[in-house]
Amino acid sequence: GAGVSQSPSNKVTEKGKDVELRCDPISGHTALYWYRQSLGQGLEFLIYFQGNSAPDKSGLPSDRFSAERTGGSVSTLTIQRTQQEDSAVYLCASSHQPSGTGYPRADTQYFGPGTRLTVL
Amino acid sequence: RKEVEQDPGPFNVPEGATVAFNCTYSNSASQSFFWYRQDCRKEPKLLMSVYSSGNEDGRFTAQLNRASQYISLLIRDSKLSDSATYLCVVNRAPGRGYSTLTFGKGTMLLVSP
Repeated sequence: GAGVSQSPSNKVTEKGKDVELRCDPISGHTALYWYRQSLGQGLEFLIYFQGNSAPDKSGLPSDRFSAERTGGSVSTLTIQRTQQEDSAVYLCASSHQPSGTGYPRADTQYFGPGTRLTVL
Repeated sequence: RKEVEQDPGPFNVPEGATVAFNCTYSNSASQSFFWYRQDCRKEPKLLMSVYSSGNEDGRFTAQLNRASQYISLLIRDSKLSDSATYLCVVNRAPGRGYSTLTFGKGTMLLVSP
C-alpha cells in the first residue's frame, strides 16, 4: 500500500519568507509526527498529533513554527519568517498508535521521504 | 545525560565481519525500543523492534538490558549493503496516555569489500 508522502521534496526559499510543508500519512494511521534533521544531526522531535486529541507541541523550536492536521489525515507544517538555521530535512512519520489513557506501547513509525528545506 | 546515546562511529568492517553497536538510554520508564536504519540522504526505516528477551531477525540480533539501560544490535556476516547509520530509538511517555519516540543520533557502519 501507499506509504507516507511529503511535498515538496525540495524547497529553496529566501530568509524571511513563509513556507508550508505537507504530509500525507498512511491511511488509517491515527498518529502523525513531525521531525527535523539538520546535516549530520539526529532527528529532532517537533510535534505530534493523535486522533482528535490536542497535539503535543513541546518540540517546536519557536513560535514561528506551527502545524495543523485537518480531518485527522493530512498535516501541514508552517514556518513563518524563515531563518537560515531552519535549513534542514523535515520528516513526517505516522503510526497506528491507539489513543486513550493507559500506557500504550509506541508503535512502529513509518517515515515519509522528507522535505529538504534550504533557506538562503 | 542525553535521553539516548550512541557511539557515532564510523565502524569500518570488512565484509563477513561481525559488528556490535550499543546504545544507552536515560529514562528507566521506557518500554518500547527499536533499531532503525537510515541510508545517506534517505528517511529512517525500521530495522527491528527490541524485546526484553532479545530477538533475532536473520543476521541481526537485538538485546535489551533494562537494569543497565542499554540496548545492543549485533550484525553477523556483514554485507556491503549493511552500510548505513543505525539509529537507537526509545519511547518517551509524557504521562498523558500516549508515548512518542526519541531517536539517538546514530552509529555509522561502513562495510568494505
